[in-house]
Amino acid sequence: QVQLVESGGGVVQPGGSLTLSCAASGFTFADYGMHWVRQAPGKGLEWVAIVYYDGNIEDYTDSVRGRLTISRDNAKNTVYLQMKSLRVEDTAVYYCARRGLILGHPIDYWGLGTLVTVSS
Amino acid sequence: DIVMTQSPLSLPVTPGEPASISCRSSQSLLHSNGYKYLDWYLQKPGKSPQLLIYLGSNRASGVPDRFSGSGSGTDFTLKISRVEAEDVGIYYCSQTLEFPVTFGGGTKVEIK
Repeated sequence: QVQLVESGGGVVQPGGSLTLSCAASGFTFADYGMHWVRQAPGKGLEWVAIVYYDGNIEDYTDSVRGRLTISRDNAKNTVYLQMKSLRVEDTAVYYCARRGLILGHPIDYWGLGTLVTVSS
Repeated sequence: DIVMTQSPLSLPVTPGEPASISCRSSQSLLHSNGYKYLDWYLQKPGKSPQLLIYLGSNRASGVPDRFSGSGSGTDFTLKISRVEAEDVGIYYCSQTLEFPVTFGGGTKVEIK
């Protein structure tokens, strides 16, 4: 079965850096685009970034562009989110999620999430 | 960016009764292929979101047929024909027509 397991969350000071990882299993990872979606405490869902199946195309929401970088290693079935110049407003649970192959490309599987807290 | 607006914010429901959630997009979600790029997700308490409906009206694998989706280019509805206790949680609509992917603010469904 499809599994997405995030790791790397923790507490970091404003201006600091952190790298999240998401280990995928149960499907052919190299065929799928992968998203990061975040959810601030008690708030709704916010899309962060996508990397296409081959790693050649990325896109970001404006508020993180230039500070967060999505990447993937298809040999390791892992997607990453490098986070730098972190702000208090980046505090959230970060979900790794799979871009479905079916028409419309919905987000068809989500990980359990990893909590990032930006605080002094 | 495409803005997604849901209503109501909160929806108390009685088990066995129907329920309906609305979602409006700031621009049409109709793709040139004729499909509407609108999805519905349910986030049960303490859990990750799960896909319910894609392309406006297609149930995802394993989703009970009491869930149905409909809508035009900008106005969409998720209906639950007979609410069950396990349906509580926050429902989100989302568009994947263009990046950034955007979500509605969520509708909290709770049992009366």
